[in-house]
This record gives sequence, C-alpha cells and structure tokens, in this order.
Amino acid sequence: DGGITQSPKYLFRKEGQNVTLSCEQNLNHDAMYWYRQDPGQGLRLIYYSQIVNDFQKGDIAEGYSVSREKKESFPLTVTSAQKNPTAFYLCASSVTGARYGYTFGSGTRLTVV
Amino acid sequence: AQRVTQPEKLLSVFKGAPVELKCNYSYSGSPELFWYVQYSRQRLQLLLRHISRESIKGFTADLNKGETSFHLKKPFAQEEDSAMYYCALSGRILTGGGNKLTFGTGTQLKVEL
Repeated sequence: DGGITQSPKYLFRKEGQNVTLSCEQNLNHDAMYWYRQDPGQGLRLIYYSQIVNDFQKGDIAEGYSVSREKKESFPLTVTSAQKNPTAFYLCASSVTGARYGYTFGSGTRLTVV
Repeated sequence: AQRVTQPEKLLSVFKGAPVELKCNYSYSGSPELFWYVQYSRQRLQLLLRHISRESIKGFTADLNKGETSFHLKKPFAQEEDSAMYYCALSGRILTGGGNKLTFGTGTQLKVEL
C-alpha cells in the first residue's frame, strides 16, 4: 500500500532538547518537503529536497535541520535553537516538481513541555 | 516572490447555498494553482489543479490571470464539504529546477443545516 508515513504522531520535547521527526515514503517520489502548520498561518515551508543527498532551505529553516541519505527518507530535526517549536509538522512528497500535486503524511504534533 | 492570499479565515453557508472560496496570488511567472482540502482528522489532500480543468466533488476553479485569482466554487454546498481549504501556488525553484508549493493561510468552510 503506497504512501507516506510520519512518526511519531505525537511528540513531547523538553526545553533544550533536539528531536527528530521521521518521514518515509514508498511512492518512488524524488522530491520531499517539510512544512509547519500553525493556526491562522497556513503551511510554511521548512526544507525541501529534490534529490538524494541534496536539500535546500525553505522560508523558515532556522532552528531546523534535515538529511536525505535515502530516496525514501527525509527526517527533520528540530533543534534547541528553534524558538517556538510547538506546532503540527507535515511531510510531503511529489514526483519531481509540484505540478502533479503533493502526497502528504498524516503529520506529527510536537509539543514543548 | 510568490504569495497566496485567502482573505477569509472562516466561511459559513447553509446547505444547498452556493460556495465561493477566494484565492488571490502574486507571482511574476506563469503560475500553476491548486486547491487542497483537509477534512477533520484526515490528511491534507489535493482537491483540484487548474491545469486539469476538472470538477471534483462538484467544485470548480478557474484561473483568472487578469485578476490573479483562483477562486473555488460549488453551486450547492453539502454538509460533507465542511473542511479547511488551502489554495496553493507552484512556482519554479531558482536553482536545480523543480517546483515548490506556497500555500495560503486557509479558509475553514462550515456548511450548516
């Protein structure tokens, strides 16, 4: 069953800790993306990757890091440098480019406690 | 820079009434526009693309380049249409080709009986 899987669904982090959110896809998509969803602000792009071993910063990359060592995987690390990390994080993938649409994961809700 | 504006945070209509969700964009090139929908407790999913000129679940959207708009319309609202709707624009990434999606802030559609 093809799709994109994000884990965990809920994540709690203490102040000062780094946490890594997982995103895996078996759609054979080249491109993968991380968005942050906040009420009233829509989706904002954090990082994206068009091909393995390459990624670029999006609009709000500060305090985040990513890697793309495998085509199927695009993990996002929320570092302690991120000032306001509590949010809903969405991963997406697409055939190269966006014109055929993205496939989204079900999201990870991160809460800093 | 590319920008998508959805002026209404919430749109409330009665069942059977017409629906129009507004979307305006700013982009210097030739845009590709999309509507995404997020039903309660479900993943964000593609509703329709302007390049397909399709009607999905009774919804249509026409790209008006003169007015830089891509409003989503449905002649008769149904209760199951209640959801969050996001307008998105695909613009070219300057390096390495490919595209990324810029989303609006979303409009919550509530269809009342």
